[in-house]
Amino acid sequence: DAGITQSPRHKVTETGTPVTLRCHQTENHRYMYWYRQDPGHGLRLIHYSYGVKDTDKGEVSDGYSVSRSKTEDFLLTLESATSSQTSVYFCAIRVGAGDEAFFGQGTRLTVV
Amino acid sequence: DAKTTQPPSMDCAEGRAANLPCNHSTISGNEYVYWYRQIHSQGPQYIIHGLKNNETNEMASLIITEDRKSSTLILPHATLRDTAVYYCIVRVHSGGGADGLTFGKGTHLIIQP
Repeated sequence: DAGITQSPRHKVTETGTPVTLRCHQTENHRYMYWYRQDPGHGLRLIHYSYGVKDTDKGEVSDGYSVSRSKTEDFLLTLESATSSQTSVYFCAIRVGAGDEAFFGQGTRLTVV
Repeated sequence: DAKTTQPPSMDCAEGRAANLPCNHSTISGNEYVYWYRQIHSQGPQYIIHGLKNNETNEMASLIITEDRKSSTLILPHATLRDTAVYYCIVRVHSGGGADGLTFGKGTHLIIQP
């Protein structure tokens, strides 16, 4: 499983509250990613990181911020959660020189 | 990344070979073919990738046509646990870049007992 864990696995939160999801890896990989998955849209890239303090936006970054202060942790923050951010969030790490990616088990977030 | 076309769904009997097609007629010379799958409620799982030669690993075989405009993922002896959505992705190797993968709708493979 490439040593990648996401926390929490499930969360219910209220509209307008801040939420932080954590992705932790144990193998010192440089590249980390956050995706969301919704019915009818498939997997979409939110943000990614190519090193400590190096991050960039993906396809659906509005309403999200990320931080990577240590190689092993990539945090995704919803500053003020909205119902449209109800989704399943997946973290991934890229391994090797190509595009082999290992994904976490996902976080199911519900914003009520 | 080149566009891919996959059938939305397929059935296969347990124990038989599952052959999943992918069309990528606009693929360019430096683009690889990647396959991932996603079992219900789990994160996507890398299966295999190739450039132009056929590839095989412990999970599957990848057959790429000589003109590289299409490919087939083969699961040699499908089991019920192979029921999943299979994604074919074509892209240039990221190398020093970092952009993520673009997932389409994939093929929902259902293994029948």
